[in-house]
Amino acid sequence: SQQGEEDPQALSIQEGENATMNCSYKTSINNLQWYRQNSGRGLVHLILIRSNEREKHSGRLRVTLDTSKKSSSLLITASRAADTASYFCATDSHSGYSTLTFGKGTMLLVSP
Amino acid sequence: DTEVTQTPKHLVMGMTNKKSLKCEQHMGHRAMYWYKQKAKKPPELMFVYSYEKLSINESVPSRFSPECPNSSLLNLHLHALQPEDSALYLCASSQERISGNTIYFGEGSWLTVV
Repeated sequence: SQQGEEDPQALSIQEGENATMNCSYKTSINNLQWYRQNSGRGLVHLILIRSNEREKHSGRLRVTLDTSKKSSSLLITASRAADTASYFCATDSHSGYSTLTFGKGTMLLVSP
Repeated sequence: DTEVTQTPKHLVMGMTNKKSLKCEQHMGHRAMYWYKQKAKKPPELMFVYSYEKLSINESVPSRFSPECPNSSLLNLHLHALQPEDSALYLCASSQERISGNTIYFGEGSWLTVV
């Protein structure tokens, strides 16, 4: 069963704009991870944020976590055409285990 | 570039065939995973190995048989599959199976069952 739900399911923007994707989950978590997947390819790990962290940055990526609302957001600033991909949030699916339950994903299209 | 290598990249097999998917990592990780991903769906966990022992089996049908010959290798043996088993099979690894470890994925093996 899916733990995370991404919103929106699809997002289309122009190069240079910012893209924000949201993720909500249902049960308590130890950490939340964001992944990118180019069409037909494997998953690339972007950021891991722990339950005691509120915000994390990596280059043009900014992730926030609100455990009281059971939600997270991924912000990509100054987007590029190469950012076109599906983005998934994933949470622990087995208590204490580093396994992942993925949300449905957001498909991001960045047009030149 | 991923450090988890999967072969083959593409596999077409009949319902009576026996085939295997292979996965290798040289990061010294002690946990390895198989995930299945259908088109336009998120990946779903199938198996978890920790220190070469099967830790989690997510009620996967027995026509899928995992094997971990050593800490660097993970195989998925396929037998008597159905067309609905056609999917992208993703192998992954992490330092340990304990929560909080980043999980690294391979590029996947595209499986088509005819």
